[in-house]
This record gives sequence, structure tokens and C-alpha cells, in this order.
Amino acid sequence: DAGVIQSPRHEVTEMGQEVTLRCKPISGHNSLFWYRQTMMRGLELLIYFNNNVPIDDSGMPEDRFSAKMPNASFSTLKIQPSEPRDSAVYFCASRGGVREKLFFGSGTQLSVL
Amino acid sequence: RKEVEQDPGPFNVPEGATVAFNCTYSNSASQSFFWYRQDCRKEPKLLMSVYSSGNEDGRFTAQLNRASQYISLLIRDSKLSDSATYLCAPNGNKLSFGAGTTVTVRA
Repeated sequence: DAGVIQSPRHEVTEMGQEVTLRCKPISGHNSLFWYRQTMMRGLELLIYFNNNVPIDDSGMPEDRFSAKMPNASFSTLKIQPSEPRDSAVYFCASRGGVREKLFFGSGTQLSVL
Repeated sequence: RKEVEQDPGPFNVPEGATVAFNCTYSNSASQSFFWYRQDCRKEPKLLMSVYSSGNEDGRFTAQLNRASQYISLLIRDSKLSDSATYLCAPNGNKLSFGAGTTVTVRA
């Protein structure tokens, strides 16, 4: 099993640009989570999906952030326009059910200049 | 009150020592928990799942105190390789993690 796959691993962009982060969950997993991690705030849950449907997006910081899951094998997190304070590591994670453990991708290190 | 709170540490201990730290949670209905380990610049990885009063896995012991709503992690005979940040999360539909406890084991 390839695990949760995220791309890109690193993204450097300028303020105001659109950023799209991608995630491929583990095949067969029906829940997908997006997290953001910074030194100041720790690991924050942004949004999660069950069966491709967004269930809770209360962690999405602003309207500049949006997430989609068009099918069971792909999800995106978009920031438009990006700002320097969005700089962080963004993790995607998936699991097979409510009592199942969570598997994380390797993360995307985002730097907004 | 935050859903999950952890003592950030850092806990700086010598090799062979025992170190323990807690994770408090606000939802009294939480039935099971996860402890994850995160190495610097890497993704979190599962260390232990806790489904009842506690769990033991080698040198690692997790204990759940439902009355006081906290779960502890104890590391015995600590190794240099135990140096990491330890994250806890109550299991449920929404998996929110604490900010993590940093442990540094020195030679």
C-alpha cells in the first residue's frame, strides 16, 4: 500500500497567488482530514470528509480556504489569495472508519513570501 | 476550554529515565483515544490506541482517568530514539489533536 500521498512536498509562492494542495487517500478509506501545523498553533483540523462529503469545515480559517473531494481517491485544499500567515505544513490524513486509526501523508510545506 | 490540552514541555530526561505526561480532554463522552508520535519535520505516526482503562506496549503505558478526563503516557527506560513530540487525540468522528508534548532524551 502506498499510503496517503500528498503533493507537492514543498511549495513556495508569493502573496496573492493561488495555491492548490493535493491528496490521494489510502484506497478503501472513507474519511479524509486536512490539518495545518505551525509552531504557534500546533496541529489544527481544518476540514474532514466522510464518503466524499464535507462534514465539518469549522476549522477553515477564512473564506480564502476551500476544500473539495470530487471522488474517493482525490482531494484538494485551495488557498486563494494566499498570505504570508498561511505558511505552515499542511497534512492530509485518511482512515477506514470511526474507530480506525488515522494515517497521515508526508505533508506539504507551504511558504508564502 | 480547548477540546484537547497537553503540557507542551519540553521534558528533558536522561537515557534510562521514566517520563510521564498528561493529555486532558473536554468531551466526557470520549470512549477511546490515540497517542501519536511525531519526529521533527515528519508526519505523525500512531504509537498506541487506548480503548479501555489503559494499554501497555513494551516500554509505553497509557492510562485513562475518566473521572478527571485525562489520559497519560508513561515511557519507561527511555531511549535516545524516544525523542519526539507526542500528540493525543480522543477518537470520534472529528479527530482533533492536542498541541503535543515534546520529549528530549539525552545521553
